[in-house]
Amino acid sequence: AQSVTQPDIHITVSEGASLELRCNYSYGATPYLFWYVQSPGQGLQLLLKYFSGDTLVQGIKGFEAEFKRSQSSFNLRKPSVHWSDAAEYFCAVVRRGGSEKLVFGKGTKLTVNP
Amino acid sequence: DAGVTQSPTHLIKTRGQQVTLRCSPKSGHDTVSWYQQALGQGPQFIFQYYEEEERQRGNFPDRFSGHQFPNYSSELNVNALLLGDSALYLCASSSLLNEKLFFGSGTQLSVL
Repeated sequence: AQSVTQPDIHITVSEGASLELRCNYSYGATPYLFWYVQSPGQGLQLLLKYFSGDTLVQGIKGFEAEFKRSQSSFNLRKPSVHWSDAAEYFCAVVRRGGSEKLVFGKGTKLTVNP
Repeated sequence: DAGVTQSPTHLIKTRGQQVTLRCSPKSGHDTVSWYQQALGQGPQFIFQYYEEEERQRGNFPDRFSGHQFPNYSSELNVNALLLGDSALYLCASSSLLNEKLFFGSGTQLSVL
């Protein structure tokens, strides 16, 4: 069965520090990969996605993610975190070529200290 | 251009009651998916509608049903509510030819 693991439930960083959120997936074949962000009481906003090609993907708000096939990972990074980045982050996968269900991880809550 | 809109934003029901949640997709989108997000969890896929038919279904009981209308809007119905149905219900729309989903802000359902 497809699954997504986000090992860190909660991460705290200082404003201006770098950030890396981990995501590992288990899937029969390389899926499409996504990172979403959710602010309290809000829906999900797409940060970035990987379909194919360059394994380093740039997204909105200064985020990037690197796909590593050998490690089945798709980690999210940001060089310098802003207080407004405090939110919950979800990694998700979907079957390549499919438009059906996304399978989400349980999320990582990010707290940013001033 | 309005994005995905959901109504109501909040809802309180008691056990055993029935509830209907509504979703209007983003303009130009013809596919609607519903997700349930329990507190502290990632969203879980309930089902997807395209051309007024249920295309795919997640691991949810028959108490969860849906409908899609000719204008592509959709409803999620839950019968015989249980305490465990308390969650944020998210609607997402897409074009069948485009993998990108747009999410609404959700309906927060509380079952007492």
